Amino acid sequence: DGGITQSPKYLFRKEGQNVTLSCEQNLNHDAMYWYRQDPGQGLRLIYYSQIVNDFQKGDIAEGYSVSREKKESFPLTVTSAQKNPTAFYLCASSIRSGFYEQYFGPGTRLTVT
Amino acid sequence: AQKITQTQPGMFVQEKEAVTLDCTYDTSDQSYGLFWYKQPSSGEMIFLIYQGSYDEQNATEGRYSLNFQKARKSANLVISASQLGDSAMYFCAMIPNAGNNRKLIWGLGTSLAVNP
Repeated sequence: DGGITQSPKYLFRKEGQNVTLSCEQNLNHDAMYWYRQDPGQGLRLIYYSQIVNDFQKGDIAEGYSVSREKKESFPLTVTSAQKNPTAFYLCASSIRSGFYEQYFGPGTRLTVT
Repeated sequence: AQKITQTQPGMFVQEKEAVTLDCTYDTSDQSYGLFWYKQPSSGEMIFLIYQGSYDEQNATEGRYSLNFQKARKSANLVISASQLGDSAMYFCAMIPNAGNNRKLIWGLGTSLAVNP
């Protein structure tokens, strides 16, 4: 089955630790995205990648980093510099950037204490 | 400013009835795309329907239709024959143009509860 996988579903970390969230797609999509969702808010774009080895900052990139070494994979690292990392993180992909629907993974709920 | 507004924080509908979820958008671009997504309590975002700004016909996908009124800048989602499984958050989103801007702009969502 084609789709997007994110692991783990729930993640707990101590403050000051970096943590990497996994996102893998087998849809052969060029574009991938990372969003953050907080309660009562819409999605906010962290980073996006239009093609392998290329990525751009979204609206709230501070304290986060990404890589896109393979078409299928777009991991997100939440660094200790992120002031409020506890949130629900959603990864998405689209066939290419532009007027194309984005398909989402199941999300990772990160809790930092 | 590019913006999506969903004015209904919560909506209730009886099973088997139709419901309209409101969405207005603000953009000065002539070319843009409009999307609706569903987010059940599990958290995953599910794509429902797409409308391009130059599409003359309203988009339809099964029980979902998009009431696109370009002059009023509205893109309301109509769900016909509501089912209990339709209970979820619904988000309206827009991509303003297909140039260098690749970013979806999201509304804050509407929570829909379907009553048996």
